[in-house]
Amino acid sequence: NAGVMQNPRHLVRRRGQEARLRCSPMKGHSHVYWYRQLPEEGLKFMVYLQKENIIDESGMPKERFSAEFPKEGPSILRIQQVVRGDSAAYFCASSTAQYQPQHFGDGTRLSIL
Amino acid sequence: AQSVAQPEDQVNVAEGNPLTVKCTYSVSGNPYLFWYVQYPNRGLQFLLKYITGDNLVKGSYGFEAEFNKSQTSFHLKKPSALVSDSALYFCAVADQTGANNLFFGTGTRLTVIP
Repeated sequence: NAGVMQNPRHLVRRRGQEARLRCSPMKGHSHVYWYRQLPEEGLKFMVYLQKENIIDESGMPKERFSAEFPKEGPSILRIQQVVRGDSAAYFCASSTAQYQPQHFGDGTRLSIL
Repeated sequence: AQSVAQPEDQVNVAEGNPLTVKCTYSVSGNPYLFWYVQYPNRGLQFLLKYITGDNLVKGSYGFEAEFNKSQTSFHLKKPSALVSDSALYFCAVADQTGANNLFFGTGTRLTVIP
């Protein structure tokens, strides 16, 4: 039973480019969460989605960041016009229901040149 | 608003000795509490959770945690540490009143010395 799959594992972008991070939840999981982790810090919640719906985006920056979880396919976290401060590890997690344990992927490490 | 405090950035313990990693929390309602472990360049792995019921929760790899409502604490413990337990440990809390996401502490790096 495959776990949460994130790709790419590493992504390098130049300032001003777009970054697309993908997350395939565990089989049977319909709840997806995105977190950001800066070096030597804990994870910070960004957004919580269910299929085709954004449930809570209170942790998402108001500009340049967006997320989707379409009916078919992986969840996508999209960062437009990236800046140096976007460099971080981005983790996706999935669960079977709200308040059930979240299972995490290995993350995408985004580096901005 | 929810918050989690892990007062120790680093905990060192000798192999075979008991270990404790501390966590205190703040929520507006009843808490959901979790412990996760992170190995280098990996995602977080779930260890255990407290939702309701017994204050002593048993989890993976021999870890357990004790929920103390009066002290708003949820310390992680293990009777006998292994070198392979060396990793970064995160405590997390969610609010049962409706928040959908986990608030994480800043993590405690556990080093088990052979």
